[in-house]
Amino acid sequence: AQSVAQPEDQVNVAEGNPLTVKCTYSVSGNPYLFWYVQYPNRGLQFLLKYITGDNLVKGSYGFEAEFNKSQTSFHLKKPSALVSDSALYFCAVRYGGSQGNLIFGKGTKLSVKP
Amino acid sequence: NAGVTQTPKFQVLKTGQSMTLQCAQDMNHEYMSWYRQDPGMGLRLIHYSVGAGITDQGEVPNGYNVSRSTTEDFPLRLLSAAPSQTSVYFCASIKWGNEAFFGQGTRLTVV
Repeated sequence: AQSVAQPEDQVNVAEGNPLTVKCTYSVSGNPYLFWYVQYPNRGLQFLLKYITGDNLVKGSYGFEAEFNKSQTSFHLKKPSALVSDSALYFCAVRYGGSQGNLIFGKGTKLSVKP
Repeated sequence: NAGVTQTPKFQVLKTGQSMTLQCAQDMNHEYMSWYRQDPGMGLRLIHYSVGAGITDQGEVPNGYNVSRSTTEDFPLRLLSAAPSQTSVYFCASIKWGNEAFFGQGTRLTVV
């Protein structure tokens, strides 16, 4: 069965420190991988995606993610966290053969303290 | 260019009532979908459409109905609301091969 796992419900980071939000997936075929961010009472905003090519993908607001095929992971990273990065982060995968259906992880709440 | 527009933003229904959540996109995307978001469960796919006149069920379709008469519009109908349908609903559209664009959501409470 297709699935996406975000093993941490919450990640706490001090401002200025690096952050990592973890994501692993299990899908058949070649995965299309995405990260989205959700601020309170808002819709989801696209951060970055991996379709093919370089395993390190750069996205919006200084975020990047590393695709690791052998570990079936797509962890979200940022070298220096900001308080304004505090939000709910979702990893999602579009699996091979799907027209566009996304499978989402349960979300990770990122809290960045000053 | 408004992107994906959902109405209403908030709604309270009584058990057994019906209603339609509206979704419109102005990006000429063929693919549209509806998700519900519940705490600790991420987003789950309700129904989707790959083009006008074509719809299909997602992971949690029971109690919901959709139609796609135009490329722009993809309404979601609750046939007989139940408290289990209390949730936040998101509409999304995708240009094939690219990322999804989401609406701002509809917060529905069924009492």
